[in-house]
Amino acid sequence: GAGVSQSPSNKVTEKGKDVELRCDPISGHTALYWYRQSLGQGLEFLIYFQGNSAPDKSGLPSDRFSAERTGGSVSTLTIQRTQQEDSAVYLCASSLGGVKETQYFGPGTRLLVL
Amino acid sequence: AQSVTQPDIHITVSEGASLELRCNYSYGATPYLFWYVQSPGQGLQLLLKYFSGDTLVQGIKGFEAEFKRSQSSFNLRKPSVHWSDAAEYFCAVVSNAGKSTFGDGTTLTVKP
Repeated sequence: GAGVSQSPSNKVTEKGKDVELRCDPISGHTALYWYRQSLGQGLEFLIYFQGNSAPDKSGLPSDRFSAERTGGSVSTLTIQRTQQEDSAVYLCASSLGGVKETQYFGPGTRLLVL
Repeated sequence: AQSVTQPDIHITVSEGASLELRCNYSYGATPYLFWYVQSPGQGLQLLLKYFSGDTLVQGIKGFEAEFKRSQSSFNLRKPSVHWSDAAEYFCAVVSNAGKSTFGDGTTLTVKP
């Protein structure tokens, strides 16, 4: 079956521009996560959606970052006024919901801010 | 606050040798613990997970991990490493509310 997909796979932008990253979770998965992986670093938790509950935004690094999930499915991570330190791989994962469930990861979007 | 520490940034083992990757966590309640592997050019894949019960859990590809509450550890082991095991390994703790915290990863190199 189809896994988690993310688009674009690569994005190059200029400092100060806004970018939108998209995540299509596995059908039927109620939980969706966004992470950031900088070069040589682990995964940094950004935001977590579970069903219709209010998302856990505690990991968003600044108010330039926002995310939404429409219809409980597709999610968009938006970074406004991008900075060079935003350059990283942005990973999305989905699960059936519940903390014991396996997270299935997408291939990531590699963002480069010039 | 929850946290995960993987003390070894890089480990090199010979093919056929045993492997142990260390993971220490900090969490106030019973942790939900996971090990994921990220192979070059591939996405993260679950190796195994622990919630409760038997403290020794078996995973895919011949991996196992042991939960030791007294040491706040969840070390990953494999008796005999194969060249295809070369990858980056991440330990993670998930809270009751679903927040995931990953360690910085351990890169495994396998010598022929």
